Amino acid sequence: EDKVVQSPLSLVVHEGDTVTLNCSYEVTNFRSLLWYKQEKKAPTFLFMLTSSGIEKKSGRLSSILDKKELFSILNITATQTGDSAVYLCAVETTSGTYKYIFGTGTRLKVLA
Amino acid sequence: GAVVSQHPSRVICKSGTSVKIECRSLDFQATTMFWYRQFPKQSLMLMATSNEGSKATYEQGVEKDKFLINHASLTLSTLTVTSAHPEDSSFYICSARDWRGGSIGEGEKLFFGSGTQLSVL
Repeated sequence: EDKVVQSPLSLVVHEGDTVTLNCSYEVTNFRSLLWYKQEKKAPTFLFMLTSSGIEKKSGRLSSILDKKELFSILNITATQTGDSAVYLCAVETTSGTYKYIFGTGTRLKVLA
Repeated sequence: GAVVSQHPSRVICKSGTSVKIECRSLDFQATTMFWYRQFPKQSLMLMATSNEGSKATYEQGVEKDKFLINHASLTLSTLTVTSAHPEDSSFYICSARDWRGGSIGEGEKLFFGSGTQLSVL
């Protein structure tokens, strides 16, 4: 059974801290891994990763994928209160049909 | 980025009624749309994959007759919760893939509608 697991489940930090969120997966026919930020309603896209070892960066956020060890990390440096959200990891698989399996999510709270 | 519109954003209904939720891709064609359900403080659970012009593919444990999916055009998929009961109360969210074809590229992302909060009394 395809599985995506994120850790930690929740995290509380202070502004300025650096956080690392983890996503591990066990799926058949991996195609890509995506990170999303969900604040209230619709998740917003952050990164899509397909190749191992290539870091993707956007401002204070960065992410990297390890296809050998089957995990990805999302780093947020110099955290701000606006980073408080649930961060979702999703893996795209092509087992018969394309579908996206979401992880449990990590709830991040950044305190001022 | 691509835009996915979902309507209504909130619906309150009586037990036994049916509720239809629409999901539209506004600036791209989506041959495949996905329907998810999310309980409070939990992740997105895939309910079904909606394919334009063919039957939807349901995940294990999701009742086909309860959650009717229709994908009649390349820009519209609907989810109808039939004979809704209080246990169906949840946040339902659709998504569509902006498929540019060919090899994997930046265009192949999954975009989400704004979700529908269903409350069944």
